[in-house]
Amino acid sequence: EAGVAQSPRYKIIEKRQSVAFWCNPISGHATLYWYQQILGQGPKLLIQFQNNGVVDDSQLPKDRFSAERLKGVDSTLKIQPAKLEDSAVYLCASSPGGTGGIGANVLTFGAGSRLTVL
Amino acid sequence: AQSVSQHNHHVILSEAASLELGCNYSYGGTVNLFWYVQYPGQHLQLLLKYFSGDPLVKGIKGFEAEFIKSKFSFNLRKPSVQWSDTAEYFCAGSYSSASKIIFGSGTRLSIRP
Repeated sequence: EAGVAQSPRYKIIEKRQSVAFWCNPISGHATLYWYQQILGQGPKLLIQFQNNGVVDDSQLPKDRFSAERLKGVDSTLKIQPAKLEDSAVYLCASSPGGTGGIGANVLTFGAGSRLTVL
Repeated sequence: AQSVSQHNHHVILSEAASLELGCNYSYGGTVNLFWYVQYPGQHLQLLLKYFSGDPLVKGIKGFEAEFIKSKFSFNLRKPSVQWSDTAEYFCAGSYSSASKIIFGSGTRLSIRP
């Protein structure tokens, strides 16, 4: 089974520039998550999709971050304009989803996209 | 607000020592709890999970965790650690299979050979 694919792996930009990250989840996984992991901290959920609908985006800084999951498969996370504090690893994860059952919300993570904002 | 706390930021052990990493959660009622591990240079991966039933759950590589509802805890244990257990360990929780999963701040485990 192919894993969760993310690109780019590394990105360096200057503040006020824009950046986009792409994620392709495991085939058939209904739920897709974007997490932000700042060095020394645990992953923080930015947005959770169920198919192509948003389940939770309460911690997404909507003035600068946006995400979409068209067609309920792959997803893009965009930051515009970037700030110094956005330097982090952006993790994409997917899970089978569904309303119940063991394994519905077991996450499979991608390798992450490391963003450095100068 | 829901939260997951890990109070040990960095633990250093010698090989063959016993391990216990603390995790506390703030959810009431039904809870799904997880331990994830990130080995150096690798992705985050699931170590074990608790949904219901037997409060003692076993995971990969000899790890286990015990869900103690009265203490809101889900501590990770291993009787004898190996050098290859060097990694960062994250506790996580959610109150249903459809709700968001919140992670703790992580515990870095270093094993002296």
